[in-house]
Amino acid sequence: EDQVTQSPEALRLQEGESSSLNCSYTVSGLRGLFWYRQDPGKGPEFLFTLYSAGEEKEKERLKATLTKKESFLHITAPKPEDSATYLCAVQAQGGTGANSKLTFGKGITLSVRP
Amino acid sequence: DGGITQSPKYLFRKEGQNVTLSCEQNLNHDAMYWYRQDPGQGLRLIYYSQIVNDFQKGDIAEGYSVSREKKESFPLTVTSAQKNPTAFYLCASSMKTGWSYNEQFFGPGTRLTVL
Repeated sequence: EDQVTQSPEALRLQEGESSSLNCSYTVSGLRGLFWYRQDPGKGPEFLFTLYSAGEEKEKERLKATLTKKESFLHITAPKPEDSATYLCAVQAQGGTGANSKLTFGKGITLSVRP
Repeated sequence: DGGITQSPKYLFRKEGQNVTLSCEQNLNHDAMYWYRQDPGQGLRLIYYSQIVNDFQKGDIAEGYSVSREKKESFPLTVTSAQKNPTAFYLCASSMKTGWSYNEQFFGPGTRLTVL
């Protein structure tokens, strides 16, 4: 069974204080790992897809990295508008057919104080 | 504007009633999904469909039903058999590319409250 564990559950940062969010996973053959941002009362917004260990992707103050067991979302010099819940999900490789399912972690709630 | 729409935004249901949540996409995506989100639980998959007229149960399908008669529509019915339906419901869709599916895009959600 595929599993995703995110830590910490919540993180409070001062504006400009860089940090990292962790996503540990076990999956029977990784096809892709996905990061989403979710604001309260809204649907998740897609951020990144990572496919193989060593891959990195960046968007503004966010950088996502991937190893064979975990992914990190690094936030550099965060601003209050970066406050949100960040979700990690994995997609396993298909067996007899293409697999479209994602397994999500419980998310990390980030608060950035001005 | 391409995207996913869900309606209504808020829905109130009396115990014993069935209700249907709407999900429409104009992204020409092949697959569609329904998730339930509860505080502290993350997203849990209810049903998904990779092709018209076909769908599969997710992890928590009991008390729910779906149909996929058109590529762009994937309505979810919450039946009276669902014992604890109060939650935030999210619909998503994704494109099939070759032998795999790309990232999922989400709608704005429907908040269902049982009175």
